[in-house]
Amino acid sequence: DTEVTQTPKHLVMGMTNKKSLKCEQHMGHRAMYWYKQKAKKPPELMFVYSYEKLSINESVPSRFSPECPNSSLLNLHLHALQPEDSALYLCASSQDPQGAQDYGYTFGSGTRLTVV
Amino acid sequence: ELKVEQNPLFLSMQEGKNYTIYCNYSTTSDRLYWYRQDPGKSLESLFVLLSNGAVKQEGRLMASLDTKARLSTLHITAAVHDLSATYFCAVDVGGSQGNLIFGKGTKLSVKP
Repeated sequence: DTEVTQTPKHLVMGMTNKKSLKCEQHMGHRAMYWYKQKAKKPPELMFVYSYEKLSINESVPSRFSPECPNSSLLNLHLHALQPEDSALYLCASSQDPQGAQDYGYTFGSGTRLTVV
Repeated sequence: ELKVEQNPLFLSMQEGKNYTIYCNYSTTSDRLYWYRQDPGKSLESLFVLLSNGAVKQEGRLMASLDTKARLSTLHITAAVHDLSATYFCAVDVGGSQGNLIFGKGTKLSVKP
């Protein structure tokens, strides 16, 4: 299995809702990442988990809450989001935190989130 | 602050023509990646460049890395319509945490 699987693919939520995004990989990668991509913009790093511990939080608002229950699974819990949080949320993984050696980063297909 | 600059940001080409996309970055790094993104889709890994002088080719695309000049290029040979997409370069900041910084992307449109 050489994929990063993200669910759901599309999500529409109200500003008072609580929802979660899920990301899963079975490549034995020990680093997992959340990126946010607004329309016509490059991806921007949100969080990095290294060996299931949060190692980078790029000043992301607390309405986004990451969780890494095990080495294969990464969640992003969403609560009280704003319309400007609408974006494509990409999960990625790498073999290890130090830039993934020869294999780089593998990105999932993303969750397109719309906040209404 | 690390800056990754791509140019051009928009590129309209005719089929059969050659062109080069440039990626300059402002800090020391020997790891650079090129990705392709189709509208509404995720990032497809094209090339992983891990050392100075690295050159990789896949089909009509060839990427190179000059770490001394802090420059990577993506050369397109004899463009075809299927290459129309947005191309991103990304620099690995490295260290113990791993972190990709992306350029703004080059939107390529190949016309018949």
